[in-house]
Amino acid sequence: KAGVTQTPRYLIKTRGQQVTLSCSPISGHRSVSWYQQTPGQGLQFLFEYFSETQRNKGNFPGRFSGRQFSNSRSEMNVSTLELGDSALYLCASSRGGAGTEAFFGQGTRLTVV
Amino acid sequence: AQSVTQPDIHITVSEGASLELRCNYSYGATPYLFWYVQSPGQGLQLLLKYFSGDTLVQGIKGFEAEFKRSQSSFNLRKPSVHWSDAAEYFCAVVPGYSSASKIIFGSGTRLSIRP
Repeated sequence: KAGVTQTPRYLIKTRGQQVTLSCSPISGHRSVSWYQQTPGQGLQFLFEYFSETQRNKGNFPGRFSGRQFSNSRSEMNVSTLELGDSALYLCASSRGGAGTEAFFGQGTRLTVV
Repeated sequence: AQSVTQPDIHITVSEGASLELRCNYSYGATPYLFWYVQSPGQGLQLLLKYFSGDTLVQGIKGFEAEFKRSQSSFNLRKPSVHWSDAAEYFCAVVPGYSSASKIIFGSGTRLSIRP
């Protein structure tokens, strides 16, 4: 079966702009979570959506937001981009229950110039 | 707060040699424990997981890990490494009460293989 698909794979944006990243989870998975990976901070949890509702949230400013659609696809939006937002953004999908396995996409590499 | 420590930032081993990557976690109860591998520019692939039961778990690509509650450790091992094992390895924990999607990762260990 198809894995987790993230689009686009690469993105270059200018400071102050906004960006939207997309994630299509594995069929049947209702939970989608987002992570930011940077050399300095490592892998950090952004938020999780389950059945179109945000269920968990990490410690990121309000410029980072997301949503989930009825088909479980999710989008992540970052407004007023800063240079420090340059990172690999990873999406993971799972069935959503405690202890279930998360499967990761290949990520979107965002560069802010 | 829950945390994961991977004390080794970078390890180099010779091809064919054995490997052990260290991981310690901080959590009051038994969490769900994972090891992921990431090749350059790629996403994360799950190597193995521990939820309960047998403390020695087998994973893909010949990896295994042992959960030691007394030491709060979950070290990853492989008896003989291959050049294709060069990658970054992340130990991760999910608190037992939490959704599997809120994963806390260690800082990673970069593995290099000496020919």
